[in-house]
Amino acid sequence: QVQLAQSGAEVKKPGASVKVSCKASGYTFTAYYIHWVRQAPGQGLEWMGRINPNSGGTNYTQEFQGRVTMTRDTSITTAYMELSRLRSDDTAVYYCTRGVAAAGTFDSWGQGTLVTVSS
Amino acid sequence: DIQMTQSPSSLSASVGDRVTITCRASQSISTYLNWYQQKPGKAPKFLIYAASILQSGVPSRFSGGGSGTDFTLTISSLQPEDFATYYCQQSYGTPPTFGGGTKVEIK
Repeated sequence: QVQLAQSGAEVKKPGASVKVSCKASGYTFTAYYIHWVRQAPGQGLEWMGRINPNSGGTNYTQEFQGRVTMTRDTSITTAYMELSRLRSDDTAVYYCTRGVAAAGTFDSWGQGTLVTVSS
Repeated sequence: DIQMTQSPSSLSASVGDRVTITCRASQSISTYLNWYQQKPGKAPKFLIYAASILQSGVPSRFSGGGSGTDFTLTISSLQPEDFATYYCQQSYGTPPTFGGGTKVEIK
């Protein structure tokens, strides 16, 4: 079965960077986009961007341009999301999700990674 | 960006009730509309795609409808495990965007 297993919770100071991993299994990794969605405490879902694991091509939403980098390692079927220059309002649960088509129909989700930004 | 607006933001209902949630898009999105269910502390679960097609394994008491700008999610007979927050999401354009969510609570 399709599984997306994310790395564990992180606590970071303002200005630092965080890198979250997403290990995919149960399907052909290069056949589906990986998208990243975040959820601040008590808030809704916010799309951050996506990576095409086949080509490595990425698209980021304007809000995160210049601060987010999405990469992948096809040899270990793992996608990564790195967010830099962290602020307190980046405190959120970050999800990776498999996208059916580039626009995004998210049929499988990782368990989420809580990133806390605090001085 | 396409804005998605859900209503109501929350509702209280009893087991066995029929519940309908509405989602409106800021422009026509044909039927590129998906629904997700999220329980506290858990990742969202994929329920419905293309406005009305149930994902495999989703109970038939869930149904979706609509096209263009107006969509609905209906639960025909609310069960205890259905108390959760529901999100709509458009996959018509980039960026994909979500509604603000509808929390279904026990009356």
